[in-house]
Amino acid sequence: DAKTTQPPSMDCAEGRAANLPCNHSTISGNEYVYWYRQIHSQGPQYIIHGLKNNETNEMASLIITEDRKSSTLILPHATLRDTAVYYCIVRDVLYNTDKLIFGTGTRLQVFP
Amino acid sequence: DAGVIQSPRHEVTEMGQEVTLRCKPISGHDYLFWYRQTMMRGLELLIYFNNNVPIDDSGMPEDRFSAKMPNASFSTLKIQPSEPRDSAVYFCASSLRGRLVSYEQYFGPGTRLTVT
Repeated sequence: DAKTTQPPSMDCAEGRAANLPCNHSTISGNEYVYWYRQIHSQGPQYIIHGLKNNETNEMASLIITEDRKSSTLILPHATLRDTAVYYCIVRDVLYNTDKLIFGTGTRLQVFP
Repeated sequence: DAGVIQSPRHEVTEMGQEVTLRCKPISGHDYLFWYRQTMMRGLELLIYFNNNVPIDDSGMPEDRFSAKMPNASFSTLKIQPSEPRDSAVYFCASSLRGRLVSYEQYFGPGTRLTVT
């Protein structure tokens, strides 16, 4: 079962920042937070991951709260091509699991 | 690199027929995953391999499904006999577990299977 809770859908205006929340209140010390997205009819695409520090790459920023019970994925300047389903996944990368358990994600609609 | 390659991209078959889906992972990757995606159940992990050895097949729905990885550059997912409820998009993904404990999976474009 997915260990995360995400809103089912969100809207964002093109050019504005999209802030996608994720709750993972049962996260344990060895578990990382991963974000993937799936654009319609394509395979999921890795975005970013983090353990406890905030992370940034060319696609997005990940803000993890100090208690690690929630996080926010930030797309700083959303474009129409960012319309997709965004999955927040908690993953133990030290002990077993090489698995990704996908939940239902957040459907982000970017409008002009 | 061409990324993960899956074939065919679309498959339409009749109930009872055998279906074989193929996957070529990214060169050098040592993990390979098979997923299935439907509207009802979302994205589900079926099975995954490490260095060509199946590690976890607990997601394989039933004995009609089988997966093999004869070498590092090729894997198949077979359904025999196929049923209409097997209609879904099947994704293959690969990854590399290097020195770092964190790594990402790269997904292929998927095979859309329709069983009539």
